[in-house]
Amino acid sequence: QSVLTQPPSASGTPGQRVTISCSGSSSNIGSNYVYWYQQLPGTAPKLLIYRNNQRPSGVPDRFSGSKSGTSASLAISGLRSEDEADYYCAAWDDSLSGFWVFGGGTKLTVL
Amino acid sequence: QLQLQESGPGLVKPSETLSLTCTVSGGSISSSSYYWGWIRQPPGKGLEWIGSIYYSGSTYYNPSLKSRVTISVDTSKNQFSLKLSSVTAADTAVYYCASPSITFGGVIAPFDYWGQGTLVTVSS
Repeated sequence: QSVLTQPPSASGTPGQRVTISCSGSSSNIGSNYVYWYQQLPGTAPKLLIYRNNQRPSGVPDRFSGSKSGTSASLAISGLRSEDEADYYCAAWDDSLSGFWVFGGGTKLTVL
Repeated sequence: QLQLQESGPGLVKPSETLSLTCTVSGGSISSSSYYWGWIRQPPGKGLEWIGSIYYSGSTYYNPSLKSRVTISVDTSKNQFSLKLSSVTAADTAVYYCASPSITFGGVIAPFDYWGQGTLVTVSS
């Protein structure tokens, strides 16, 4: 069972806007930045969003992140077939000595 | 461009120790200001952070694995390694080594560069 909670699946049609939620607690999302990773089938994860809402170079502005309290969201606008992938949220957890926690992942299907 | 490559046995017997090495090219571990990490992914499941190490040898571990994990670094070879003891079938996973980019520093730095991953199966 993952520390961060994500819906197992999401879907949308091309051109639509979809959002993926990520719920945590005061020791992780509530007190630290949220990061999002995209994992295409058979490949290593790719950093998609850092520090809640920042995009690394090369990530389209169709991808955006937000955070409020102990929850965060990833939004994908203008959905494209190549966006079909698994999406993971992550955050640093301040409890104990500190450690990274991930969400269980959301499988996005483009219908 | 930083590149990471995992290496090690693809099959480990139950109760034995899993050992993997990550070789870094295109950058130097000893000149980095961030922590290098190991993450794993059981087949069909999500990501789990195992632990991270600084060039000095300072480490952070996942509390759920801490009693069985040792991560070490060899700056002369530009490598860092993972040892996971007393493995069971539940440790079967793709193991990734990963690194932040120079944009970040410290341990709270996201993983921007990933190795291709190596599948380790625990079976007799």
